[in-house]
Amino acid sequence: EAGVAQSPRYKIIEKRQSVAFWCNPISGHATLYWYQQILGQGPKLLIQFQNNGVVDDSQLPKDRFSAERLKGVDSTLKIQPAKLEDSAVYLCASSSRDRGLVQETQYFGPGTRLLVL
Amino acid sequence: ELKVEQNPLFLSMQEGKNYTIYCNYSTTSDRLYWYRQDPGKSLESLFVLLSNGAVKQEGRLMASLDTKARLSTLHITAAVHDLSATYFCAVVNTGNQFYFGTGTSLTVIP
Repeated sequence: EAGVAQSPRYKIIEKRQSVAFWCNPISGHATLYWYQQILGQGPKLLIQFQNNGVVDDSQLPKDRFSAERLKGVDSTLKIQPAKLEDSAVYLCASSSRDRGLVQETQYFGPGTRLLVL
Repeated sequence: ELKVEQNPLFLSMQEGKNYTIYCNYSTTSDRLYWYRQDPGKSLESLFVLLSNGAVKQEGRLMASLDTKARLSTLHITAAVHDLSATYFCAVVNTGNQFYFGTGTSLTVIP
């Protein structure tokens, strides 16, 4: 089974530029998450999709961040314009609730390391 | 917002010793996860704890959950160098949103 794929793996931009990240979840996983992990901290949930609908985006800075999940599969996360404090690793994860069980395991992609200069 | 605190933040221990990492959370939840993250790598799921009193063990790691105390522990038995990593707990709220702890950076010294 292929894992969660993300690209690019690394990105360096200047402040006020735009950047986009792509995520391809595990096949069949309905739920997709984007997290921001700042160096030395735990991941912070930015947005959660269930199929192509948004479940939660309460911690997404909507003035500069946007995300979409067209057709309920791949997803893109965009930052426009970027600020210095956006430097972080952006992690994508997907999950599929086992039928009849509460348990839900998240599978994380390798992440995209963003450096804003 | 659900708050998740781990302690200690940093842990340096000798091989062969035992130690416990603690994870406290602020509101009711009946699902808690433990993850491992190696430097420069992504997160790997270790345990899912679903109910009060749940205990799971894998090798030298054992995790437990006390939902009444809002506390989970990750116990390390006879540590080896391969266990050096950062360990995160994550708690799920009623809206199925994951909240991660601050992480515990573990270094096992030969």
